[in-house]
Amino acid sequence: DTEVTQTPKHLVMGMTNKKSLKCEQHMGHRAMYWYKQKAKKPPELMFVYSYEKLSINESVPSRFSPECPNSSLLNLHLHALQPEDSALYLCASSPLQASGSYEQYFGPGTRLTVT
Amino acid sequence: AQSVTQLDSHVSVSEGTPVLLRCNYSSSYSPSLFWYVQHPNKGLQLLLKYTSAATLVKGINGFEAEFKKSETSFHLTKPSAHMSDAAEYFCVVSPNNDMRFGAGTRLTVKP
Repeated sequence: DTEVTQTPKHLVMGMTNKKSLKCEQHMGHRAMYWYKQKAKKPPELMFVYSYEKLSINESVPSRFSPECPNSSLLNLHLHALQPEDSALYLCASSPLQASGSYEQYFGPGTRLTVT
Repeated sequence: AQSVTQLDSHVSVSEGTPVLLRCNYSSSYSPSLFWYVQHPNKGLQLLLKYTSAATLVKGINGFEAEFKKSETSFHLTKPSAHMSDAAEYFCVVSPNNDMRFGAGTRLTVKP
């Protein structure tokens, strides 16, 4: 199984709402990532979890709160978002190694619209 | 620092003609390089990867790329374009699990 799943596929929320995005993988990968992608732009890294611990936070506003409950699941909790946060949110996973890099496997994304 | 530059923001080809998407990289040591494809409103799919085992890398859907250290290039090619190849393509360099994306090249395939 080389699939990363994300739910929901689409999400519309108001600026006062609280919602969560969910990501799941069953490849035994110990690194998981959240990216934000605006239209016609490459993905921008938001967070990296390594062995279920937050290892990288790319100066993301606190209205985005990541959580890694176990090695297969990654959540992104959203609260008090702004319209400019509307984007495609991508989850990815990869194996970990001491040096060099493995490829990342991406999910289909959640299309978020903030009204 | 490692980075990639995709030399064309948009490439247009006719169906059945060759595809060339250009990527130059900057790295002080032998990098890990990848090409990903993204169809509209979809996630990214890995086409191929270079990790120093062979300079000519074959990927899925008939794509291949050649690593040329002397030219610091990793161009993506396909002998014959298909309508389904129309998508956004990203060249990526990855030092130590940190992926750095190029700006992307949009490929249009005309009938």
